[in-house]
Amino acid sequence: QVQLVQSGAEVKKPGSSVKVSCKASGGIFRSNALSWVRQAPGQGLEWMGGIIAIFGTANYAQRFQDRVTITADESTSTVYMELRSLRSEDTAVYYCVRSTGYHLTNNWFDAWGQGTLVTVSS
Amino acid sequence: EIVLTQSPGTLSLSPGERATLSCRASETVSSNYLAWYQQRPGQAPSLLIYGASTRATGIPDRFSGSGSGTDFTLTISRLDPEDFAVYYCQQFGSSPLTFGGGTKVEIK
Repeated sequence: QVQLVQSGAEVKKPGSSVKVSCKASGGIFRSNALSWVRQAPGQGLEWMGGIIAIFGTANYAQRFQDRVTITADESTSTVYMELRSLRSEDTAVYYCVRSTGYHLTNNWFDAWGQGTLVTVSS
Repeated sequence: EIVLTQSPGTLSLSPGERATLSCRASETVSSNYLAWYQQRPGQAPSLLIYGASTRATGIPDRFSGSGSGTDFTLTISRLDPEDFAVYYCQQFGSSPLTFGGGTKVEIK
């Protein structure tokens, strides 16, 4: 049984950065791509980017390209998402999500973390 | 980027009724790489359907997916009280991966 356990809620000031972690268990870490999806309060789901652990390469949605970095630590089966230059519009729940294969495309999401609320407020 | 438009935004129905949710893509979704997810209040989304029409493990057969190309449908044949939730479609055939805006199925 795959389990994705994320780090706890964060409160950040505008202009700062946040780094959220996601520890995977119950599966073979390198076999699956892991993505980050966010959901602003009362809004829909938005894919930010993902990482192909077996290659260590990340792919980002264009609107986040300049502000986000997704990395993976195979030794601890943990994926990280760092978002910089935070603004109030970044207030959202951030989900770590596993794809069914190691490509970001051609694979659906079969497991979700519990979500991490990031609040950006002065 | 493939834009997914879901309709209606809200569906008000009674338990036992049939729900039909639509997801329209701005261009062809390759190989029917489309999934549906259910999100209950306060919870993370969970997978219902992948490949446009294949139910995920443990999903009851009252849920069915259909469609191809640019037009996809999720049907719930008889609404159970636990089915009142928000439903999202998602395409995974091309990057960036994109979601529809969601359809809320609420109790009438």
